[in-house]
Amino acid sequence: DVKVTQSSRYLVKRTGEKVFLECVQDMDHENMFWYRQDPGLGLRLIYFSYDVKMKEKGDIPEGYSVSREKKERFSLILESASTNQTSMYLCASSFSAQVSSPLHFGNGTRLTVT
Amino acid sequence: EDQVTQSPEALRLQEGESSSLNCSYTVSGLRGLFWYRQDPGKGPEFLFTLYSAGEEKEKERLKATLTKKESFLHITAPKPEDSATYLCAVQALIQGGSEKLVFGKGTKLTVNP
Repeated sequence: DVKVTQSSRYLVKRTGEKVFLECVQDMDHENMFWYRQDPGLGLRLIYFSYDVKMKEKGDIPEGYSVSREKKERFSLILESASTNQTSMYLCASSFSAQVSSPLHFGNGTRLTVT
Repeated sequence: EDQVTQSPEALRLQEGESSSLNCSYTVSGLRGLFWYRQDPGKGPEFLFTLYSAGEEKEKERLKATLTKKESFLHITAPKPEDSATYLCAVQALIQGGSEKLVFGKGTKLTVNP
């Protein structure tokens, strides 16, 4: 089974802090994604990556950046955390960009910015 | 604009009471439709992929079907452990030949013993 591991289940940070959310997958998947999930808004795509050192903006990239130095690891960075970034963050991976392959999600990081 | 709408938003069933969840979509160039189950505090768990109208997939008490405009997730004789939020997502072909995945907002299912 695919395993997507997010380094923290819960994080509490202060406004203005730089925040790193880490995600690792163990199935050699090419694609990795970061979503945030908020009540009433559903899942929204922040950034994604189809290959090492590649990144693409999703629907809501403002205030975020990403890093993919190794195939198995995809990091989400909040340069200066703000209270409106309080959310559940979900990392996902999938096998290939060429065919419709399902996403495999981690268990999420619930981030609170105070 | 590509849209995915799930109904109802919430559904309460008694154990053993069969029902269906709906996912309707308006996208051009459907590449695949996915169903996920999400338990509170966890990430979504993949259930099914459907690729073309008429296709059906089954897993235990769940059966997913697909038409040209919607998908149904049928739950037969549900048990309390089937309680979860069920998410639908549609992979659509967009301009330039790339693809986009659009999620619905989910149906929260509660099965009472």
